[in-house]
Amino acid sequence: SQQGEEDPQALSIQEGENATMNCSYKTSINNLQWYRQNSGRGLVHLILIRSNEREKHSGRLRVTLDTSKKSSSLLITASRAADTASYFCATDANTGNQFYFGTGTSLTVIP
Amino acid sequence: NAGVMQNPRHLVRRRGQEARLRCSPMKGHSHVYWYRQLPEEGLKFMVYLQKENIIDESGMPKERFSAEFPKEGPSILRIQQVVRGDSAAYFCASSRTSGRAVDTQYFGPGTRLTVL
Repeated sequence: SQQGEEDPQALSIQEGENATMNCSYKTSINNLQWYRQNSGRGLVHLILIRSNEREKHSGRLRVTLDTSKKSSSLLITASRAADTASYFCATDANTGNQFYFGTGTSLTVIP
Repeated sequence: NAGVMQNPRHLVRRRGQEARLRCSPMKGHSHVYWYRQLPEEGLKFMVYLQKENIIDESGMPKERFSAEFPKEGPSILRIQQVVRGDSAAYFCASSRTSGRAVDTQYFGPGTRLTVL
């Protein structure tokens, strides 16, 4: 299975702290994406990082990709209560552009 | 520019009935994907379609499930003779490109199917 696996499964932090989530996958990829899902809602695309990129920033988000270790991390700096959600990494199938998702990290930011 | 639209948002069916889930991709997108999210689990790919073609249905159960994306109108995911295990959230995503030029998939809000 190429499915990404997020770690930790659940994370609880105080507002203002940084949150780091990790994702590991099994086979080679073209791209890796991170999505956020608020409880009971659809997924929101956060950031895409290509296999030839090592780091990418978007606002308070920082994503790294280590293809040698087949892992990625998502860092949310200066967290806010509104960041409370589940975060998923998704890897592509390397032959098409359907993506495979892990079970997600549930982040709770305490005000 | 409206995002990916799915309807209905919630669907309740009794065992043995049929469920039809609709997905309208973003304007300008001709590629549609369906994913299923079981409770407490991640999303799992089901099927990838382009207009009038099924490109990859490797994630879709062989029986009772079918999908289409006609030339006109939304993509339809159809589940016949639903069972309790079909209860899940079904997400549709769309993208502009395909092949090796992989593009971002944009997701709809999902349809939550409950089978009684």
